Amino acid sequence: LAKTTQPISMDSYEGQEVNITCSHNNIATNDYITWYQQFPSQGPRFIIQGYKTKVTNEVASLFIPADRKSSTLSLPRVSLSDTAVYYCLVDRDDKIIFGKGTRLHILP
Amino acid sequence: KAGVTQTPRYLIKTRGQQVTLSCSPISGHRSVSWYQQTPGQGLQFLFEYFSETQRNKGNFPGRFSGRQFSNSRSEMNVSTLELGDSALYLCASSVGAGAYEQYFGPGTRLTVT
Repeated sequence: LAKTTQPISMDSYEGQEVNITCSHNNIATNDYITWYQQFPSQGPRFIIQGYKTKVTNEVASLFIPADRKSSTLSLPRVSLSDTAVYYCLVDRDDKIIFGKGTRLHILP
Repeated sequence: KAGVTQTPRYLIKTRGQQVTLSCSPISGHRSVSWYQQTPGQGLQFLFEYFSETQRNKGNFPGRFSGRQFSNSRSEMNVSTLELGDSALYLCASSVGAGAYEQYFGPGTRLTVT
């Protein structure tokens, strides 16, 4: 199973762009990269999923370099409500493993 | 479309008892996964069911078991409860198995005393 490594915590300010990078050195050919967001006492919420290059939706962008050994979740113009834990997962037709996640704290 | 529902939302049990948690997936979703979340261990995968068959299982003792019914609803059972089983149990459903986007329920908060 591919293991992911991401910063334990990050602080940012309202209105800024936030980039959270995840390392997944032993990603396999068939693996997808998925990010989830979790607020306290709630289940995780799917943010975005990608395989290579760049994926964008109404919430975020996901940048994946050619070697796919890392990925960056980009949140444009964050607000206080974006304060949450963000998980990077490398999916396969296998067990889905959540790492420790990145605790993002948005300051006013 | 209704989201994933879990019942009960809160539960208090005594050591040695057993408990059954229920999960109703989003209509049309055939995969249901269960996770345990604790402050110390984070989110840990328990098992995944797809079309009534267990596809994968995490590293949990045999006291943790589950099943899925023909309507995709799933139950999780924990026997001989231990204090360490106190956790938030989350259920997630998806259209397909494995790498598909998962939709999580609100969870069942289990407290073992």
